[in-house]
Amino acid sequence: DAGVIQSPRHEVTEMGQEVTLRCKPISGHDYLFWYRQTMMRGLELLIYFNNNVPIDDSGMPEDRFSAKMPNASFSTLKIQPSEPRDSAVYFCASSLAAYETQYFGPGTRLLVL
Amino acid sequence: AQKVTQAQTEISVVEKEDVTLDCVYETRDTTYYLFWYKQPPSGELVFLIRRNSFDEQNEISGRYSWNFQKSTSSFNFTITASQVVDSAVYFCALSMRGAQKLVFGQGTRLTINP
Repeated sequence: DAGVIQSPRHEVTEMGQEVTLRCKPISGHDYLFWYRQTMMRGLELLIYFNNNVPIDDSGMPEDRFSAKMPNASFSTLKIQPSEPRDSAVYFCASSLAAYETQYFGPGTRLLVL
Repeated sequence: AQKVTQAQTEISVVEKEDVTLDCVYETRDTTYYLFWYKQPPSGELVFLIRRNSFDEQNEISGRYSWNFQKSTSSFNFTITASQVVDSAVYFCALSMRGAQKLVFGQGTRLTINP
């Protein structure tokens, strides 16, 4: 079975540009999570969805970040405009149900110059 | 507040040695879940184990074993007869009833030298 799929795997962009990260969760999973990993802050939750509905976006750093889940098999995380401090690895994860194990995608390594 | 502490930032051992990674957690909830994830040099996060707060039984899976002790709020991970392929960063994480997010520790970088 396919795991969580993320694209692109690597993204290099210049400050001020729009960045869109994509995620396809495991089929049948009702929960989708976006995490960010940095050296300074470690792994932190940005936002999560249940049945395509955003439930908790308290971890989204600021209005430059937005996330959508138009259907059960696709989610995007958008940064507009991007800044160098957004450089990080962004992980998408999904879980079958509440409190079940979260399975992570391979991550997108973002570098904003 | 919920918190996970992995006091060992880095551990380096020689292959075939046993090694234990410590994890201490804080939560006021009586229902919670504990996890270990492995992050190899390639960068992905690999799930290893999930435990709920009502199940204190230790678990063994091959060379891996986990010791869950509620009395000390610890969920330690032991690798027996370590191998070079075990080299990775290992994360302990906590989630609580009523909050889906995983709260991660800072990770322990484990290096197994041949």
